[in-house]
Amino acid sequence: DAGITQSPRHKVTETGTPVTLRCHQTENHRYMYWYRQDPGHGLRLIHYSYGVKDTDKGEVSDGYSVSRSKTEDFLLTLESATSSQTSVYFCAINTGSNSGYTFGSGTRLTVV
Amino acid sequence: QKEVEQDPGPLSVPEGAIVSLNCTYSNSAFQYFMWYRQYSRKGPELLMYTYSSGNKEDGRFTAQVDKSSKYISLFIRDSQPSDSATYLCAMSARYGGSQGNLIFGKGTKLSVKP
Repeated sequence: DAGITQSPRHKVTETGTPVTLRCHQTENHRYMYWYRQDPGHGLRLIHYSYGVKDTDKGEVSDGYSVSRSKTEDFLLTLESATSSQTSVYFCAINTGSNSGYTFGSGTRLTVV
Repeated sequence: QKEVEQDPGPLSVPEGAIVSLNCTYSNSAFQYFMWYRQYSRKGPELLMYTYSSGNKEDGRFTAQVDKSSKYISLFIRDSQPSDSATYLCAMSARYGGSQGNLIFGKGTKLSVKP
């Protein structure tokens, strides 16, 4: 199974502070994704990456930035956290054309 | 109109019932269709993967794709309490690239009562 870990699992932060979430994969998959999941909205794509230093915006990218300096790590940064960014954040990797995505366990972020 | 529509439920059935979950979509370019299962406070896990039209069966689960109607279904036979979860449909037009990004339905919450 593809290994994918997210850290931290839970975080409470104050409005206006920067926050970085980390996604780490143990294999060498090219495509990585950040989603947020909210009641009534389902999973929405924030940013994705198709290689080292190659990233692009998804449906809800405002207020978020990403970086991928190594194949195995994909970082999501909230430059200045707002209460509307309280959500569960999932990282995913694309493990192949017949395999769909493998998701991490999620990061539950609360902005107070 | 959202690209992918899915009835959020909740859906409650007795143990042993046949469950039918559905999604409709508007983008005729979609070719890859998936169903994910998500237990409470966990990440989604891939349940079924189908390319183009047709049926696919895996144990108690059957996925159907009708591209002419832009409609996909997941059937669960002999449902068990352990099937209680949220089921998300997902689809994309291609593998990789921006058109390979999965578009998800909002999910249907299923509860199977003993």
